[in-house]
Amino acid sequence: QKEVEQDPGPLSVPEGAIVSLNCTYSNSAFQYFMWYRQYSRKGPELLMYTYSSGNKEDGRFTAQVDKSSKYISLFIRDSQPSDSATYLCAITQGAQKLVFGQGTRLTINP
Amino acid sequence: NAGVTQTPKFRVLKTGQSMTLLCAQDMNHEYMYWYRQDPGMGLRLIHYSVGEGTTAKGEVPDGYNVSRLKKQNFLLGLESAAPSQTSVYFCASRYGQGASKTQYFGPGTRLLVL
Repeated sequence: QKEVEQDPGPLSVPEGAIVSLNCTYSNSAFQYFMWYRQYSRKGPELLMYTYSSGNKEDGRFTAQVDKSSKYISLFIRDSQPSDSATYLCAITQGAQKLVFGQGTRLTINP
Repeated sequence: NAGVTQTPKFRVLKTGQSMTLLCAQDMNHEYMYWYRQDPGMGLRLIHYSVGEGTTAKGEVPDGYNVSRLKKQNFLLGLESAAPSQTSVYFCASRYGQGASKTQYFGPGTRLLVL
């Protein structure tokens, strides 16, 4: 079993829809929970990160962590075609390393 | 600031050939990482370094070697390339201290091994 599981999709939704992206993890010692966004043929870039259970908002994006269920989510409100990308969840393993999910490819259709 | 740069951007190798991928960062970061990205597999850590002169194995180190002779550079070597090493390789770096665990990624190197 992978330490971090993410549905690879692909996921295709109309513009303006609310998007929900999810990951589960197995190690309760994981500390920081991150979402990276990767446009086609580019390197990943950090979108958001959070440390504790609960919600964290940044504009149209909300990161949610439920440590009791080992479940993390990213919600995108009022989705735009420019949000089309691959979204990767990542969780810190110790002080030095990140463990990534498989990535979900998202397409927002105008 | 150029951030994290990778050389080359694309390369084709024949089985058994060797090559070195170069990663450079100008952010004075302590930690540097090499990942490979394959369809459906996400990013998998090959090797990493927590400082100049140090290296450590990641999840998929076999067939690769690394060196960190200078703080700003992290080299990934393939001694005898195999088709299974066809992938997109990403380098990343981050500060060593503090609460932020943000890794900054380069643009990637696409490698095709025939």
